[in-house]
Amino acid sequence: DAKTTQPPSMDCAEGRAANLPCNHSTISGNEYVYWYRQIHSQGPQYIIHGLKNNETNEMASLIITEDRKSSTLILPHATLRDTAVYYCSDPQTSGSRLTFGEGTQLTVNP
Amino acid sequence: DAGVIQSPRHEVTEMGQEVTLRCKPISGHNSLFWYRQTMMRGLELLIYFNNNVPIDDSGMPEDRFSAKMPNASFSTLKIQPSEPRDSAVYFCASSYGGAGALFFGSGTQLSVL
Repeated sequence: DAKTTQPPSMDCAEGRAANLPCNHSTISGNEYVYWYRQIHSQGPQYIIHGLKNNETNEMASLIITEDRKSSTLILPHATLRDTAVYYCSDPQTSGSRLTFGEGTQLTVNP
Repeated sequence: DAGVIQSPRHEVTEMGQEVTLRCKPISGHNSLFWYRQTMMRGLELLIYFNNNVPIDDSGMPEDRFSAKMPNASFSTLKIQPSEPRDSAVYFCASSYGGAGALFFGSGTQLSVL
């Protein structure tokens, strides 16, 4: 299984950008990187995914390094409601067996 | 679409009893996943189906656990007999395609006394 590593916790001031890193040094060339978040007691929520190029949607931006060994999720203007555990995860291409690591607890402070 | 629907939201049962968790995936999605979440072990993939067929059940803890998907709109996860260590939040998720984004339900909080 490809493995991912993330810092256990991060803090961010409300209104500032939150930059969440993830290392996925064992990812293979055709595996996507997915990001999800989980707000306390709710089911994980899909945020964004990418393969090689940087991606942006209404929720966040995803920056993937050229060697694809790491990525950064960017929340451009964090709000209190963005406080959650953020998971980066990579599915094995042999069947979408999406697994999760321990994630990063992001706390957005007023 | 109402999203992935799970029932019940909460289940409290006694050790030895049978527990059945239910999931209705998003219409049109062809992959369905069952996860379990605990403080100690985090989110664990138990089993996933593609086009109603179980593809990988290597995460199912033991023979007490079984999952079925009789049609594209319904799946069950059964625990028989249940044990206190089965207490966890069980999530169902669905997606379209082999590497599509997963959409999770609200989960079932299971407590086995």
